[in-house]
Amino acid sequence: AQTVTQSQPEMSVQEAETVTLSCTYDTSESDYYLFWYKQPPSRQMILVIRQEAYKQQNATENRFSVNFQKAAKSFSLKISDSQLGDAAMYFCALTDKLIFGTGTRLQVFP
Amino acid sequence: DSGVTQTPKHLITATGQRVTLRCSPRSGDLSVYWYQQSLDQGLQFLIQYYNGEERAKGNILERFSAQQFPDLHSELNLSSLELGDSALYFCASSVRPTNTEAFFGQGTRLTVV
Repeated sequence: AQTVTQSQPEMSVQEAETVTLSCTYDTSESDYYLFWYKQPPSRQMILVIRQEAYKQQNATENRFSVNFQKAAKSFSLKISDSQLGDAAMYFCALTDKLIFGTGTRLQVFP
Repeated sequence: DSGVTQTPKHLITATGQRVTLRCSPRSGDLSVYWYQQSLDQGLQFLIQYYNGEERAKGNILERFSAQQFPDLHSELNLSSLELGDSALYFCASSVRPTNTEAFFGQGTRLTVV
């Protein structure tokens, strides 16, 4: 069975600072993808970043990067130079079936 | 705009009733997922279709059913509605059945009164 665990229900960060959101997962698949999605107050689900398990290099997208530790089954999201618009729920997700963790609410303070 | 269209955006109905939620995937996408998100909760995976066939099933209640039609649009049918079924229902689509990102519609907000 697949599981995704986000152990931080809430996090906060000051504008321009860096924050890291944690995610651990379990799967019996050898080939899988991991994602971070963002859900702002509008409730729209927005893809932030993806990581293919077969790639050793950590994915980056502008201010967003991941730390993918395959052996530890860990997949954290680092947001650099945080902006007020980054305030949202962040969900970690895993294939085969696209299942989601319970989310982390990120607050950004000016 | 993700390219995934869900209708209606809002739906208010009474307990015991039946409703149908509709999803049109992005052009070229063959797979459709359905999720339920209750207030301030995570996304619960309900069911996935690929090219008209059921591919994976999550914690979908027996009162709920879905299908994907030959034109690839999908419908989620919710029957004998209860107050606890009030939630945001998302549809997402992807080009492949697995190991690819999915793009989400705006969701249908269902309120059962």
